[in-house]
Amino acid sequence: AQKITQTQPGMFVQEKEAVTLDCTYDTSDPSYGLFWYKQPSSGEMIFLIYQGSYDQQNATEGRYSLNFQKARKSANLVISASQLGDSAMYFCAMREASYTGANSKLTFGKGITLSVRP
Amino acid sequence: DAGITQSPRYKITETGRQVTLMCHQTWSHSYMFWYRQDLGHGLRLIYYSAAADITDKGEVPDGYVVSRSKTENFPLTLESATRSQTSVYFCASSESRIQDDSQPQHFGDGTRLSIL
Repeated sequence: AQKITQTQPGMFVQEKEAVTLDCTYDTSDPSYGLFWYKQPSSGEMIFLIYQGSYDQQNATEGRYSLNFQKARKSANLVISASQLGDSAMYFCAMREASYTGANSKLTFGKGITLSVRP
Repeated sequence: DAGITQSPRYKITETGRQVTLMCHQTWSHSYMFWYRQDLGHGLRLIYYSAAADITDKGEVPDGYVVSRSKTENFPLTLESATRSQTSVYFCASSESRIQDDSQPQHFGDGTRLSIL
């Protein structure tokens, strides 16, 4: 079974509007972390935001926020006031807890393409 | 400049040849990773390393070899390249902090590898 599911087809949003990119995940581990990355057409992977499974508040970083619904196992990325430069592919990823206490690897979803229209 | 660099950025080679992709990071991060990115598959983990001389397989390790003799370098070798290994390869690194899984992975700019 997929651990990270991103099923939206290519998304379109009008400049200055908000957009939500969906991500659902599957884990039986009570402790995990969720990450979002942006990949513009130039190809680099840019870290955007992190949410821990025990965090009480939804994470926010500037125009990015994470709508974390633990019971539904969803971690949707919300981009407010979209800009043309937000056009990119967006990846959701999960890190399941390592019982050694150190970092472990990320599992990525297949990504969602976002296009911002002027 | 501090960061993570991959070389070469582009590589074309022929089936059966050996090719090595280089990855160098200046942060002294403990963890390093190699991913391949293919259309429709997202990023898939090939190999990762928790420290110098410690490596482990990821999701798609067949046909690849890694080594990590120094903390800052993590080369990926295709011992006998096949067309199915045509892909974009990303190297990444992250800090290791006990009881803190919030550290993101930082990625290099990628190597676009074509095998003819």
